[in-house]
Amino acid sequence: DAGVIQSPRHEVTEMGQEVTLRCKPISGHDYLFWYRQTMMRGLELLIYFNNNVPIDDSGMPEDRFSAKMPNASFSTLKIQPSEPRDSAVYFCASKVGLNNQPQHFGDGTRLSIL
Amino acid sequence: KQEVTQIPAALSVPEGENLVLNCSFTDSAIYNLQWFRQDPGKGLTSLLLIQSSQREQTSGRLNASLDKSSGRSTLYIAASQPGDSATYLCAGDTGRRALTFGSGTRLQVQP
Repeated sequence: DAGVIQSPRHEVTEMGQEVTLRCKPISGHDYLFWYRQTMMRGLELLIYFNNNVPIDDSGMPEDRFSAKMPNASFSTLKIQPSEPRDSAVYFCASKVGLNNQPQHFGDGTRLSIL
Repeated sequence: KQEVTQIPAALSVPEGENLVLNCSFTDSAIYNLQWFRQDPGKGLTSLLLIQSSQREQTSGRLNASLDKSSGRSTLYIAASQPGDSATYLCAGDTGRRALTFGSGTRLQVQP
């Protein structure tokens, strides 16, 4: 079975540009999560969805960040305008909503804002 | 708000040694606790998940325990191998299905 698929794997762009990260969750999973990992702050939850509906976006750092899930098989995380402090690895994860099931992570997008 | 702490931050052991990684959490109202492995430049791989009603879970050379009353979990790795070298993260779910992560323990197993 295909795991969580993220694209692109690497993104380098200049400050002020719009960045769009993409995620395809595992089929049948009803929860989707976006996390950000930095050396200073570790892994932090940004936002998560249940059945395509955003449940908690309290981790989204600023209005420059937005996330959508138009259907069960696709989600985007957008940063506009991007800033150097947004440089991090962004992970998408999905899971089935049962308590005994783990989250499955993609390989992440390594984002560098120059 | 759940806070998760992992000790030690880094650990280096010779091959074959048994070792214990520690994780503590502040909110005992925890639904489950998960242990993950992260290799450099990679995503997280789920190792073990312990539900709040369980005390421990085992998978091969790995054993994870959970003590809700003391707010602690341990990951025991038996007969460590160089291939076990990675960062190990614990994470708690307090029922909202999202995870709060510790900062990880970076393990190096020397051949």
